[in-house]
Amino acid sequence: EPEVTQTPSHQVTQMGQEVILRCVPISNHLYFYWYRQILGQKVEFLVSFYNNEISEKSEIFDDQFSVERPDGSNFTLKIRSTKLEDSAMYFCASRSSGAGIEEQFFGPGTRLTVL
Amino acid sequence: GENVEQHPSTLSVQEGDSAVIKCTYSDSASNYFPWYKQELGKRPQLIIDIRSNVGEKKDQRIAVTLNKTAKHFSLHITETQPEDSAVYFCAAPGYSTLTFGKGTMLLVSP
Repeated sequence: EPEVTQTPSHQVTQMGQEVILRCVPISNHLYFYWYRQILGQKVEFLVSFYNNEISEKSEIFDDQFSVERPDGSNFTLKIRSTKLEDSAMYFCASRSSGAGIEEQFFGPGTRLTVL
Repeated sequence: GENVEQHPSTLSVQEGDSAVIKCTYSDSASNYFPWYKQELGKRPQLIIDIRSNVGEKKDQRIAVTLNKTAKHFSLHITETQPEDSAVYFCAAPGYSTLTFGKGTMLLVSP
């Protein structure tokens, strides 16, 4: 069964450094998402991406964040200058096209620790 | 945007008992309501979902009910087992994505 994959599984970085989190969505999916989950809290939407552009973004997704689909398979989240409060689990998700919101398949997550 | 409230935040039951988790949503146009199960340190996984054209859906020990008038939906787990212990999230669709509830930690004691 196809799965969303994410790398790395754990990223440790110093405050102020740039990080790039990588995702490989399921190959025939067209909608891509990033979510974050601070330890013990709910899953929070960051951004959705379709047809090579951002469809929607939340208040969390400020100018420090950017997303890119650099090739036909990868979908990346860049945090330009990390802050302590960026420490969280970051989940990528993808879904196929359809009449409405269908099942989003989540990747295993990247745990980001900012020191 | 969509606002999703979920209750309770924690739920402890004995093995074999039933568990019910409730969610309310704000956008009356929402038409798809999934439930995710997240085990410790793992990704959220879809366990059941319901579309607004039905009031109830069952899958073995799991069922979801939807009341569109009242804008709430519930997850029902019968004959709970220790492996049901996890955090459960409800969600409702926004413009192009999902808004999640705060989660319910379900603890099933043997």
